[in-house]
Amino acid sequence: DAKTTQPPSMDCAEGRAANLPCNHSTISGNEYVYWYRQIHSQGPQYIIHGLKNNETNEMASLIITEDRKSSTLILPHATLRDTAVYYCIVRVAGSMNSGYSTLTFGKGTMLLVSP
Amino acid sequence: KAGVTQTPRYLIKTRGQQVTLSCSPISGHRSVSWYQQTPGQGLQFLFEYFSETQRNKGNFPGRFSGRQFSNSRSEMNVSTLELGDSALYLCASSFGLAGDRELFFGEGSRLTVL
Repeated sequence: DAKTTQPPSMDCAEGRAANLPCNHSTISGNEYVYWYRQIHSQGPQYIIHGLKNNETNEMASLIITEDRKSSTLILPHATLRDTAVYYCIVRVAGSMNSGYSTLTFGKGTMLLVSP
Repeated sequence: KAGVTQTPRYLIKTRGQQVTLSCSPISGHRSVSWYQQTPGQGLQFLFEYFSETQRNKGNFPGRFSGRQFSNSRSEMNVSTLELGDSALYLCASSFGLAGDRELFFGEGSRLTVL
């Protein structure tokens, strides 16, 4: 799976949009971009994923550049409960031999949302 | 519906002992994978099971093993515990084989080896 690069930490004011960047310049055509977050001492939580097109759900939006070499996770109105480590992961669309549920976690971005 | 359930949540063992951790996936999910999280190494993949078969294995010694039952519940075992095995062990489940399926994680089992 392609490697990702994320800033180690970011700050955001409560109520403002949090924009978390991720670089995945070696991504392959069949690799998805996934975002998970981990609140302290809890299991990681799925946020969103995408292949080529921008995606939006009730938690966040995912913007993928046209060349797919980078993406941005957007939390439109950050709250204190969004303080967590955010992981950007690229992962091959699975087959029985590809280890489809294997996620390779990097160090992620520690997002601190302040009042 | 209920999430992924891991038991026990906390346990303390001594070096040389063995430990068994349990994971009950979300109802209907057939895939279970295990991860180890330590401050130094972060989250690392251990192994993955689907339909009672191990599909993939991470780079861990043979002391780490697992299995999956016909009801999709899974257990992992660590034998001859070492201090470095102290970690948060996370289980994740997903619906099936497709690589674009999200994983749902449990709260983890925190193991302390003294």
